[in-house]
Amino acid sequence: TQLLEQSPQFLSIQEGENLTVYCNSSSVFSSLQWYRQEPGEGPVLLVTVVTGGEVKKLKRLTFQFGDARKDSSLHITAAQPGDTGLYLCARTPPFSGGSNYKLTFGKGTLLTVNP
Amino acid sequence: DAMVIQNPRYQVTQFGKPVTLSCSQTLNHNVMYWYQQKSSQAPKLLFHYYDKDFNNEADTPDNFQSRRPNTSFCFLDIRSPGLGDAAMYLCATSRGGDDPQFFGPGTRLTVL
Repeated sequence: TQLLEQSPQFLSIQEGENLTVYCNSSSVFSSLQWYRQEPGEGPVLLVTVVTGGEVKKLKRLTFQFGDARKDSSLHITAAQPGDTGLYLCARTPPFSGGSNYKLTFGKGTLLTVNP
Repeated sequence: DAMVIQNPRYQVTQFGKPVTLSCSQTLNHNVMYWYQQKSSQAPKLLFHYYDKDFNNEADTPDNFQSRRPNTSFCFLDIRSPGLGDAAMYLCATSRGGDDPQFFGPGTRLTVL
C-alpha cells in the first residue's frame, strides 16, 4: 500500500500568520494533487504537481514538490479566515495502462484561521 | 453550470430503511466514484466505475451497492443503514489517470 503521511492533522492559527502543511511518502509519486474542502462542500482541486523540484503559486498559496518526488508541501502566507478548511494531498495512480483510476488521499489537515 | 450534482444535499433515514443517493455529471467523464467521509477525515473510497465496469473496494460493506445506468448518472444504495453509516457521501468524476477528480457537494446522511 502506497501510504501518504500528512501533517499536521489539525492546525489552528490567527489571521495573518503563515503555515506549512506537509505530505510525505516512502515511494515516488507520479504526480500529486492538493485539494481544499470547505465545510459542508466537496473537495476542490487546488493544484497538481508533476515535476520534481516544481514550485507552483496560487495567490498566497505556494506548493512545492520535492526533488525526489516523494514529498510535497503547501505554504500559506498571511492566512485569512476564508482559508479555513480541510486540506488534502492525493497521489495519482502510477500509469499502468490498466483500470487503476484511484487516488490515494492523505489523512488531511484541518485548518482553522481565527479572525 | 454545476458539473457534478448530488441529490439530495441532506438525507435523513431510519435505522434499517433503504436509502438511495444520486449523482449526475455534465462532464462526460468515464470514471465515477463514491466516497464516504466522516467528520474531518479524508474521503474513503467505496467503489468506482470506469464506464460500466464496476470496481468495489475490498473493505466496502455488502450493505453498500451502486448502479450506473448511463454515463451521466450514478447511484449509491444503502440497503439497511446503520448508525455507523451516518456520514457525508461524496460523488466524484474524472477522465482517469493523472487527471483531477471533480467532486460534487456531497449528501449528508443522518440515520435515526
